[in-house]
Amino acid sequence: DIQMTQSPSSLSASVGDRVTITCQASQDISNYLNWYQQKPGKAPKLLIYDASNLETGVPSRFSGSGSGTDFTFTISSLQPEDIATYYCQQYDNLPPIFGQGTKLEIK
Amino acid sequence: QVQLVQSGAEVKKPGASVKVSCKASGYTFTSYDINWVRQATGQGLEWMGWMNPNSGNTGYAQKFQGRVTMTRNTSISTAYMELSSLRSEDTAVYYCARGHGGVVTLSYWGQGTLVTVSS
Repeated sequence: DIQMTQSPSSLSASVGDRVTITCQASQDISNYLNWYQQKPGKAPKLLIYDASNLETGVPSRFSGSGSGTDFTFTISSLQPEDIATYYCQQYDNLPPIFGQGTKLEIK
Repeated sequence: QVQLVQSGAEVKKPGASVKVSCKASGYTFTSYDINWVRQATGQGLEWMGWMNPNSGNTGYAQKFQGRVTMTRNTSISTAYMELSSLRSEDTAVYYCARGHGGVVTLSYWGQGTLVTVSS
């Protein structure tokens, strides 16, 4: 199975900050990577697909980049409603594996 | 609008089975795969498998092979996930989620079903 290493596991930032999360795959997955947001008690929500494509209706402050093994997820200006846990997920090979998650908190 | 509505919480004893349903609406049920993902309390997301509602074809994560069965009833646009030989480690929230374009990009999710395994 492909392993996904996501970092950091937790992050504290201020409103308005630029926030970056990274995800590294154990082998080349091209651009077959998604990013999800999960708020407490809720189902995950797809934000970014194919590494860099913004899902319809998702604010443009969210972005993704990368290909191969190294990927980055960015929130350009953190908003209070962005408090959540974020997961990367590869879908190059079955089984699709999720990263361990990054819990984002407001400083 | 696309909706996936799951059945309610379950409490089961070790060794029992549980069957969770996922009713789809707002789109053609047979046109998109249904995936199942679970999440233990305070833990990450774990993919369990997928089902093609049109053909009934399935694919399961090796960890669950032999214990999980995914089925559907196309007449009522509902997918099912049955997990047998339950143990305490299976206590989790189970989600159904719709795939996108034949790949595991999960664009719509059910609300989740808490399954508690306890003696």
